[in-house]
Amino acid sequence: QITLKESGPTLVKPTQTLTLTCTFSGFSLSTSGVAVGWMRQPPGKALEWLALIYWDDDKRYSPSLLNRLTITKDTSTNQVVLTMTNMDPEDTAKYYCTHCVGPGYHMDVWGAGATVTVSS
Amino acid sequence: SYDLTQPPSVSVSPGQTATITCSGDKLGDKYASWYQQKAGQSPVLVIYQDTTRPSGIPERFSGSNSGNTATLTISGTQAMDEADYYCQAWDNDSVHVVFGGGTKLTVL
Repeated sequence: QITLKESGPTLVKPTQTLTLTCTFSGFSLSTSGVAVGWMRQPPGKALEWLALIYWDDDKRYSPSLLNRLTITKDTSTNQVVLTMTNMDPEDTAKYYCTHCVGPGYHMDVWGAGATVTVSS
Repeated sequence: SYDLTQPPSVSVSPGQTATITCSGDKLGDKYASWYQQKAGQSPVLVIYQDTTRPSGIPERFSGSNSGNTATLTISGTQAMDEADYYCQAWDNDSVHVVFGGGTKLTVL
């Protein structure tokens, strides 16, 4: 059974850096064709894709957030970390990590999400 | 960048067929997926690779994808199907993930 759980701060101040950790089980991020993705959803708004890291350490980022995001993986601890710099109140959202498989890289398992509020 | 367009809302009577569309340039050349999100819950995958239902998803959910449009069809819609639905595609040119803006399905 695949599970993912997001963890990190619930409140960050404007201009600070957000670090979120996705801890997963039930699969290996060393397996060909597997990826872990990060998505977010501001209150009352649509899902937005942020980043994807593949089994071979290839990394892809949303073009609109490319300069602020970094995604890394640690296969020994089954964790994926997303950092987002220069946080703004508009980044207030629920952040989800997901297990993704190709072809098509659909998100077949989602974590419960982590709510992050950006406020001074 | 690649964009996917969905109608903001769709209404359907119980027992009828609901159709939700997702439009994008040459979307039929890519794999489309669909997610159901009920209020306060994480999204759930209901269709992937255009037409495939994951285990546990009722047969009344089906998908198609051709030309510039992917379609999610819910036959015999039930009250429990009321939710937001999002389409998603993986742009193999840019290797990016794209979501549609979501469609609120109301069963009334």
